[in-house]
Amino acid sequence: AQTVTQSQPEMSVQEAETVTLSCTYDTSENNYYLFWYKQPPSRQMILVIRQEAYKQQNATENRFSVNFQKAAKSFSLKISDSQLGDTAMYFCAFMRTLTQGGSEKLVFGKGTKLTVNP
Amino acid sequence: DTAVSQTPKYLVTQMGNDKSIKCEQNLGHDTMYWYKQDSKKFLKIMFSYNNKELIINETVPNRFSPKSPDKAHLNLHINSLELGDSAVYFCASSRTVEKLFFGSGTQLSVL
Repeated sequence: AQTVTQSQPEMSVQEAETVTLSCTYDTSENNYYLFWYKQPPSRQMILVIRQEAYKQQNATENRFSVNFQKAAKSFSLKISDSQLGDTAMYFCAFMRTLTQGGSEKLVFGKGTKLTVNP
Repeated sequence: DTAVSQTPKYLVTQMGNDKSIKCEQNLGHDTMYWYKQDSKKFLKIMFSYNNKELIINETVPNRFSPKSPDKAHLNLHINSLELGDSAVYFCASSRTVEKLFFGSGTQLSVL
């Protein structure tokens, strides 16, 4: 069974600074996806960034980037130029790659509560 | 237009009651899911349906019964509600497995 671990229950950062959220996972699969989801106080689950395991290049989305270390099973999220609107819970998640039609499940970490201070 | 809509957004009820949460998606997706977020914010899958067929059924009590009348709808019925069922329930849908669209959640409070 896959597990996802986020070792930082809470973090804070000053506005405009950079912060890195940690995530490690355990799997015997070779093909999979990794995700970071953001959940602001509004409760909506928002996909921040996605990484395919077969891609060596780290995914980036504007101010958000990941450091994907497949051998170490590590998938950290870096937020640059932090903004007040980045205040939220951040969840790291894992999903196996399907080999045929059907569906797969997201396995989530316990989340990191990020607060951006003015 | 809301892509994945859940009703109601809030549900307060007494122990022992039966309640339903409805979910509809207008994205034309084949797969729909129910996830539960507990009081500690931990998210875990409950069910998934693909083309109205149950694909994933995690270790969920029999009191929880999903129903998919068509591809666009996946409802969750809960019998004999217990205090521990209090949580936020998220519906989601996807066309491809790696891109889920979540609804805004239903906060269930059992008193």
